[in-house]
Amino acid sequence: DVKVTQSSRYLVKRTGEKVFLECVQDMDHENMFWYRQDPGLGLRLIYFSYDVKMKEKGDIPEGYSVSREKKERFSLILESASTNQTSMYLCASSLSFSGANVLTFGAGSRLTVL
Amino acid sequence: GQNIDQPTEMTATEGAIVQINCTYQTSGFNGLFWYQQHAGEAPTFLSYNVLDGLEEKGRFSSFLSRSKGYSYLLLKELQMKDSASYLCAAMDSNYQLIWGAGTKLIIKP
Repeated sequence: DVKVTQSSRYLVKRTGEKVFLECVQDMDHENMFWYRQDPGLGLRLIYFSYDVKMKEKGDIPEGYSVSREKKERFSLILESASTNQTSMYLCASSLSFSGANVLTFGAGSRLTVL
Repeated sequence: GQNIDQPTEMTATEGAIVQINCTYQTSGFNGLFWYQQHAGEAPTFLSYNVLDGLEEKGRFSSFLSRSKGYSYLLLKELQMKDSASYLCAAMDSNYQLIWGAGTKLIIKP
């Protein structure tokens, strides 16, 4: 019954490496999101997409890029990982933008950058 | 600016009732969400309020006062499995979510 799947639960990378985080949803949702979650802070939106090949910056896009070539897949890319990008990354999807815009989250990808 | 405040941590006893408060300030308002997140797992949706009042769903209820910028999540007949973080999020006029830092709820036997 898995609906949002993140390809890697745990990753360890070195500073300067390129990192790909993959997310796939099987609910035919229009919208997909990437958040990071850090202790003591609320979820912070990195990027979101409301359609294939469309992307919008969230609150903290610096150092990240995204790709949405297919409706079901939304990838987060760290072009050159840095230690301050060590975090839990959560992917989510939703059916549409409306008031009752319920998000379905993946289990998260914990990234450590050394 | 926009912000959400909720307590960092709360402790309660199995079988008891606990209320987790959330206050918010947003540019416009399109509803208030509560999510539950067990350690190491994905957040899961609990409730959505857009009108004033109390919404009840089994052991969980959520309350909203738009005039006060205030919501609470009420958990009754606490069970050990309710130990989790509870995330409050308000939706602004652009349908963007503003998230609180979460309240870690510890249930003791």
